[in-house]
Amino acid sequence: QSALTQPASVSGSPGQSVTISCTGTSSDVGDYNLVSWYQQHPGKAPKLMIYDVSKRPSGVSNRFSGSKSGNTASLSISGLQPEDEAEYYCSSYTTSNTFHVVFGGGTKLTVL
Amino acid sequence: EVQLVQSGAEVKKPGESLKISCKASGYSFTNSWIGWVRQMPGKGLEWVAIVYPGDSDTSYSPSFQGQVTISADTSISTAYLQWSSLKASDSAMYYCATARTHYAGGRYIPISFDDWGQGTLVTVSS
Repeated sequence: QSALTQPASVSGSPGQSVTISCTGTSSDVGDYNLVSWYQQHPGKAPKLMIYDVSKRPSGVSNRFSGSKSGNTASLSISGLQPEDEAEYYCSSYTTSNTFHVVFGGGTKLTVL
Repeated sequence: EVQLVQSGAEVKKPGESLKISCKASGYSFTNSWIGWVRQMPGKGLEWVAIVYPGDSDTSYSPSFQGQVTISADTSISTAYLQWSSLKASDSAMYYCATARTHYAGGRYIPISFDDWGQGTLVTVSS
């Protein structure tokens, strides 16, 4: 069981918007703005899409945005494109038990 | 452009030793943290360890402390992950990645992994 909870799957049609949630606790997501999101296509290495809750690395489309409310972080993707179909993972700094970083279990995004 | 090129797939027997590598280019290897992330078959991501090549400072995930050793050679801009005695449960894909860190509890924690290698598949089977 992962420390951060993500839905197993989400889906949307091309052009639509989707949001993927990542729920933690007050020891991680709730207390620190150190949440990252990764995109992973099958058989490929992960790619950093969002860091520090809402910052985009250079080269990442502005269709991807991140936010946080309480113990839940969210990744929103607007104007869905077929190439957005992938697995998405969140991660957060945590002080639960020890100083650490934990990942969510991943969410499969299907573009219908 | 940051490039991380990892060594090829490995097939080993339980109890054998192994050292995999990650050659970096396109940025200041000495002045940036670099680490390893494990992905077991069909599973999610797990942080393993990070190293700061400039002074060889290291930080391990509690789950991997004592199980692996991370190191770096600044003369060839290469990071390594090694095992002294492999177990079948070490079978996984291992990615190297540059890391941003947060200092807490007397050590550095990787808060994001920015640029990634292509992965090294490690298979441990008798």
